[in-house]
Amino acid sequence: KNEVEQSPQNLTAQEGEFITINCSYSVGISALHWLQQHPGGGIVSLFMLSSGKKKHGRLIATINIQEKHSSLHITASHPRDSAVYICAVRTGNQFYFGTGTSLTVIP
Amino acid sequence: DGGITQSPKYLFRKEGQNVTLSCEQNLNHDAMYWYRQDPGQGLRLIYYSQIVNDFQKGDIAEGYSVSREKKESFPLTVTSAQKNPTAFYLCASSISGGGNYGYTFGSGTRLTVV
Repeated sequence: KNEVEQSPQNLTAQEGEFITINCSYSVGISALHWLQQHPGGGIVSLFMLSSGKKKHGRLIATINIQEKHSSLHITASHPRDSAVYICAVRTGNQFYFGTGTSLTVIP
Repeated sequence: DGGITQSPKYLFRKEGQNVTLSCEQNLNHDAMYWYRQDPGQGLRLIYYSQIVNDFQKGDIAEGYSVSREKKESFPLTVTSAQKNPTAFYLCASSISGGGNYGYTFGSGTRLTVV
């Protein structure tokens, strides 16, 4: 059983669509991260959350600690948003990762 | 700019040879990590180090070795004992101690064993 589950596994959207990626976890956490991995493989950290909601540009991340669930939203999606989005949770010095959601945004 | 440097980006080795992947950070982070990524799977922890001269095995440490002689450097050696070494390897670092601290990844090394 994975400590972190993401859905959907794959997602294709038309440019301009509103996108939601979900993450559920089963362990107690100190923080949850949303990561973006581009085709070349490098990973960048988009958000780090321990409660509530954060917004950067067209990206919004929310977390519900009681329900152990987080969502990543992308508004007005663009082809350059195409990437793999990974949810990761931190417990102490350990990190657990979801398997990622592969997003393709079509012009 | 502060960050993590992994080198090389692509690496080819013959079966049976040991190979060392480099990871250097200038973020003054205490903790460093090595992960392996295979298609369709989440990142899996190979080794991590919370402080210089100390490191711990992760979930898939067999066939790998590490050292942490300097805070900035955490090289990973893929030994000939690793049964399936072809994979994408990611190094990461963070401030140690848990809590709401940042987490930075390198750009990865894709190792192919032929």
